[in-house]
Amino acid sequence: DARVTQTPRDKVTEMGQEVTMRCQPILGHNTVFWYRQTMMQGLELLAYFRNRAPLDDSGMPKDRFSAEMPDATLATLKIQPSEPRDSAVYFCASGLGTGPVVSGYTFGSGTRLTVV
Amino acid sequence: AQKITQTQPGMFVQEKEAVTLDCTYDTSDPSYGLFWYKQPSSGEMIFLIYQGSYDQQNATEGRYSLNFQKARKSANLVISASQLGDSAMYFCAMREGGAAGNKLTFGGGTRVLVKP
Repeated sequence: DARVTQTPRDKVTEMGQEVTMRCQPILGHNTVFWYRQTMMQGLELLAYFRNRAPLDDSGMPKDRFSAEMPDATLATLKIQPSEPRDSAVYFCASGLGTGPVVSGYTFGSGTRLTVV
Repeated sequence: AQKITQTQPGMFVQEKEAVTLDCTYDTSDPSYGLFWYKQPSSGEMIFLIYQGSYDQQNATEGRYSLNFQKARKSANLVISASQLGDSAMYFCAMREGGAAGNKLTFGGGTRVLVKP
């Protein structure tokens, strides 16, 4: 089965440190999403890319978060500097967009980030 | 305003019985898609079923069926013959096209506990 691979699975870091999360989308998928899940806010969309170009990152705190797709097989989400309120599970999802429609979204297993 | 509303924070169901999880949505986009995901305690997001706004028939996938009532803007998930492994969080999500660009917006989720 094709799957979205996220690394690391778990990350514990100290406040102020840089954190980089990685995502390998399913081969052939041209749309990549980053979501954050917390108990308080539920699942929030942070950013997403179509054909490696950022389409919407309005859900992302711009001062400390950045998302990139250096190539079609890798998406990254970086937090610098990290804060305790960033503690959450970060999901990557990929899908195939044909025209205006994305047909199906496959989620990775998530990165559980704890900032102490 | 909430785009996706799941009014049941949690519910119990007896093993082998059917359970209906409620989901209402709000959109002015004529082209949209509705998804249900399952999130077990392990944390991964598992795709269950999809309903397109133009689909004439209600979607079914094994023991899962989607009761799509377009005029009422509801997309309830029905799980038949519940199993212990169905205990999990269930999320309803909506994809809007056009200016919304295919991002998935999630409801708050419903926690289901199947009793033996």
